Order: sequence, then structure tokens, then C-alpha cells
Amino acid sequence: QQQVKQSPQSLIVQKGGISIINCAYENTAFDYFPWYQQFPGKGPALLIAIRPDVSEKKEGRFTISFNKSAKQFSLHIMDSQPGDSATYFCAASNMKHGGSQGNLIFGKGTKLSVKP
Amino acid sequence: GAVVSQHPSRVICKSGTSVKIECRSLDFQATTMFWYRQFPKQSLMLMATSNEGSKATYEQGVEKDKFLINHASLTLSTLTVTSAHPEDSSFYICSASRTGGTSGNTIYFGEGSWLTVV
Repeated sequence: QQQVKQSPQSLIVQKGGISIINCAYENTAFDYFPWYQQFPGKGPALLIAIRPDVSEKKEGRFTISFNKSAKQFSLHIMDSQPGDSATYFCAASNMKHGGSQGNLIFGKGTKLSVKP
Repeated sequence: GAVVSQHPSRVICKSGTSVKIECRSLDFQATTMFWYRQFPKQSLMLMATSNEGSKATYEQGVEKDKFLINHASLTLSTLTVTSAHPEDSSFYICSASRTGGTSGNTIYFGEGSWLTVV
């Protein structure tokens, strides 16, 4: 019940295209759903996050779509650029309780390659 | 924005020695910090939750006597790998939980520390 399933494992997109990464979760107590971008040899950087009271959040070219009933959320990268090539991790957490229950449960990651 | 700093970014140590990695929240207080380990091309694996002023909570399978965690203040947590062995070589990443604000709690990561045990 603690799992977060992420797909696809890898994704190749042409420059200017839309990159879509999907995640699904089981634990209905999760109330915080962030996406992280990680470049090789670097720590994950918070990209965008959503809470279950909204169905969509947009920040620049990055959009999270959230479907509470289906327990799914996805990251859309519009106008994908070669500089977006990185590994993306979705995560989920129960933040209300903080402490050990506030830790993030990560998906296995998606390696995105944007071709020029 | 919030920044979490990790030091050192890279460290090489001899087998049998101990090495300490620091994690600092630079512009906010973090009552809770998390330590992760990441193997190449894999996701992050939570090792332990560090709580300021109390003992860390370790995940199943993580040796608490080998991976010592000290959360001495609201801005600093340290991970000490004791009696390091080559199999401890890995990328160690910390994160800090920033509470409150209009967006609620948010978790930020440090840049990670590469440990190589020779």
C-alpha cells in the first residue's frame, strides 16, 4: 500500500513535443504529490507539487494532473527541450502527520531524453 | 527559495574508517530530515528519519550502529558511516521538511554526497 508506481521507465521525445509521465498510488492517506528532476550526480530538485484539493497545477511548461478517484497523477512537460533530459521521480507522502509518516515514497523514476 | 546544503559533495575514505556527512537547511528550520541512499540508475531508498532532539528512526534493514544519525539542531543533521566498507560506497542524499507556509509542508533535497570506500 506504500508503493508508488511510475511509468514509463524511459521516454524519448522530440524537441518541442510533450513529455508525459504517469504515477499511481494506493494509500489514500497520501496528501502531497511532488515531482523531482534529477540530473546525473546531483540531488533531486523539486520541480512541482500538488495537493489533492486541486486537479491540476501548472508552473511554466510543467503541469501536474491529479485524479483523486483513480489515485493517479501525471507530469506533462510542454515544448520539451534537450535541457529537460533528466530522470524524473514522482513521489507521495502523508504530510499532515509529519515525522516518519512525512517521508516521501518514490516511484522508480523515468529517464527522459529529449532529442534535438 | 529553500536551500538544503550537503557537505562534502564527494569523499573518499579508506576501508575501516568513519566518515561524516552533514546536511543543513540554510534558510529554514527543519524538525525532520531524511537520509536516502541511491544506487546508480535506481530510485532513492530511505535509510532513516532524523528528528531534532530525539533518536532517528531507521528503516528496516538499515544498521543503526553503522549509520549513525545526529540531529543536533533545527538546521543540522549528520550521517556518520562507521567502519566503512567498499559496499557502503554510494550516493547519499538528505532532505529536509519545511513546515507551514501557504503551500503546507514541502520537502527539499540536498545536492547529495558521493562516498567511495577504497
